[in-house]
Amino acid sequence: SQQGEEDPQALSIQEGENATMNCSYKTSINNLQWYRQNSGRGLVHLILIRSNEREKHSGRLRVTLDTSKKSSSLLITASRAADTASYFCASDNTDKLIFGTGTRLQVFP
Amino acid sequence: DGGITQSPKYLFRKEGQNVTLSCEQNLNHDAMYWYRQDPGQGLRLIYYSQIVNDFQKGDIAEGYSVSREKKESFPLTVTSAQKNPTAFYLCASSAPGTANQPQHFGDGTRLSIL
Repeated sequence: SQQGEEDPQALSIQEGENATMNCSYKTSINNLQWYRQNSGRGLVHLILIRSNEREKHSGRLRVTLDTSKKSSSLLITASRAADTASYFCASDNTDKLIFGTGTRLQVFP
Repeated sequence: DGGITQSPKYLFRKEGQNVTLSCEQNLNHDAMYWYRQDPGQGLRLIYYSQIVNDFQKGDIAEGYSVSREKKESFPLTVTSAQKNPTAFYLCASSAPGTANQPQHFGDGTRLSIL
């Protein structure tokens, strides 16, 4: 399978704590993207990091990319109950994206 | 507002029946995609289309068919050859670019077997 893998599969934290999710992918990339999915809904694009970038920030999100290890991480700081969702990384492969298996994040008030 | 509309939200299929899932976008995007998501899993690519009147198989195309007669529309037919069609189906679109652009998703169609 070409699918990437994410860990942990599930993560439970309290509001205010930070959440870190990791993603590994298999092929060389032009960019890596992170998406969020609320239960029963479509995915929403969060952030894109290019292969020549090592770190990128967007609000409470921080993404890192290590192309030598074919891995990326997503950090959500000061989490909120509304951050409860599944998070997916997606690596680009020529003309399509390959999605990871996702991390289910639960943030308790 | 621009976006992607998938219909119906829920769909039931009888044995031996073909069903068609609708996907319409008004984002003026050239590329469109169909994914299948099984419970607790990531997305797997069924078919994708970069331009009108052209489409390519993804990783799990067997038992599915598509058409791309208009830029705005990319319907997916789940044929009777697909023996395990129960899943959540997601349609997406993206603007053209030199590297894969962010994809915009519809809210999905949940298909079940009667």
